[in-house]
Amino acid sequence: QSALTQPASVSGSPGQSITISCTGTRSDVGGYNYVSWYQQHPGRAPKLMIYNVSERPSGVSNRFSGSKSGNTASLTISGLQAEDEADYYCSSYTNSNTPYVFGAGTRVTVL
Amino acid sequence: QVTLKESGPALVKPTQTLTLTCTFSGFSLSTSGMRVSWIRQPPGKALEWLARIDWDDDKFYSTSLKTRLTISKDTSKNQVVLAMTNMDPVDTATYYCAREREYVYRYDYWGPGTLVTVSS
Repeated sequence: QSALTQPASVSGSPGQSITISCTGTRSDVGGYNYVSWYQQHPGRAPKLMIYNVSERPSGVSNRFSGSKSGNTASLTISGLQAEDEADYYCSSYTNSNTPYVFGAGTRVTVL
Repeated sequence: QVTLKESGPALVKPTQTLTLTCTFSGFSLSTSGMRVSWIRQPPGKALEWLARIDWDDDKFYSTSLKTRLTISKDTSKNQVVLAMTNMDPVDTATYYCAREREYVYRYDYWGPGTLVTVSS
């Protein structure tokens, strides 16, 4: 069982917006503004898309945005494109025995 | 440009020790604040943090796997090595190394990963 809860799958049509949720506890998501989101295409390494809840690394499209409310963080992809079809993992700094916890991942399908 | 790459055996037998090497470039683990972690992903499952080594040789391990893991670095070769003893089929996974910097709470670069299968 993963420490952070994500929906198994989310889908949308090209051009639409979708949102992926990531629910944790006060010990991780709710307690720190250190939530990251990673995109992973099949057979590829995870790629950092969002950090510190809502910051985008250089080179990441502004179609990707992040937010947080209480113990739940969210990743929104606007103007959905075929290339966005991938698995998305959230991660949070935690005050538990490991420095970071991950979600189980959400498969995004572009219809 | 920062790159990392994992290497090691694709197949190990149960009870054997797995040794994986992460070879990186574009940064030095002797630079203050640099960190390298190992993270694994069983097929179809979530990412799991395993271990971390810092620029000052501090080492940290997953509580559940601590007795089986050893992490080390060779700064001159730009390598980090992870050893995992007593391998079991449940340890079958893709193993990644990733870079982190102190006070920057994210993995900004990952290796492509290496799939390790545990089977007799």
